[in-house]
Amino acid sequence: GQNIDQPTEMTATEGAIVQINCTYQTSGFNGLFWYQQHAGEAPTFLSYNVLDGLEEKGRFSSFLSRSKGYSYLLLKELQMKDSASYLCAVRSGGSYIPTFGRGTSLIVHP
Amino acid sequence: KAGVTQTPRYLIKTRGQQVTLSCSPISGHRSVSWYQQTPGQGLQFLFEYFSETQRNKGNFPGRFSGRQFSNSRSEMNVSTLELGDSALYLCASSLQGEQYFGPGTRLTVT
Repeated sequence: GQNIDQPTEMTATEGAIVQINCTYQTSGFNGLFWYQQHAGEAPTFLSYNVLDGLEEKGRFSSFLSRSKGYSYLLLKELQMKDSASYLCAVRSGGSYIPTFGRGTSLIVHP
Repeated sequence: KAGVTQTPRYLIKTRGQQVTLSCSPISGHRSVSWYQQTPGQGLQFLFEYFSETQRNKGNFPGRFSGRQFSNSRSEMNVSTLELGDSALYLCASSLQGEQYFGPGTRLTVT
């Protein structure tokens, strides 16, 4: 099976930078996804990492270290609309389907 | 291109009844997955269909079933509803791994 850990909740200030960590234990790692989910809405795809390193996409970046079983999502220049739940999901073995963590609820305040 | 659509958006049923939820994937996507999301358990994988065949299955009882049609549309059925089945049911379609989610069906069992 898989074990995916993320902090339950984080708070940050508008304009700041926040890093949301995700650690996982799995065999046959085959990719890590980050999703954003606003309250009452469906998750939306943010990023996909399969190789070590940093992937940057605008204000959002995602990092992966396969040897450490670790990823983070970095959000820069925080805006109030970034208040949402951020889900880390890991795909492993021969499965095409990722397993989701419980999500990190990010609250951005003025 | 139209996104993933799900019907109905909201549903109220009583214990013991059955329910059928529908999902239409993004055009060209042949993989459709179903998830149950609750505050306590997070996003949990139910099953995945590809080309009308169930390709992956999560750890849910047999009361939860699904099928996929030749046009890739999928239905999910829950029989003998229990109070604990109250949840947001999300459908996701995929072409190359990343999941594109529909808006979900909010099921309330009373």
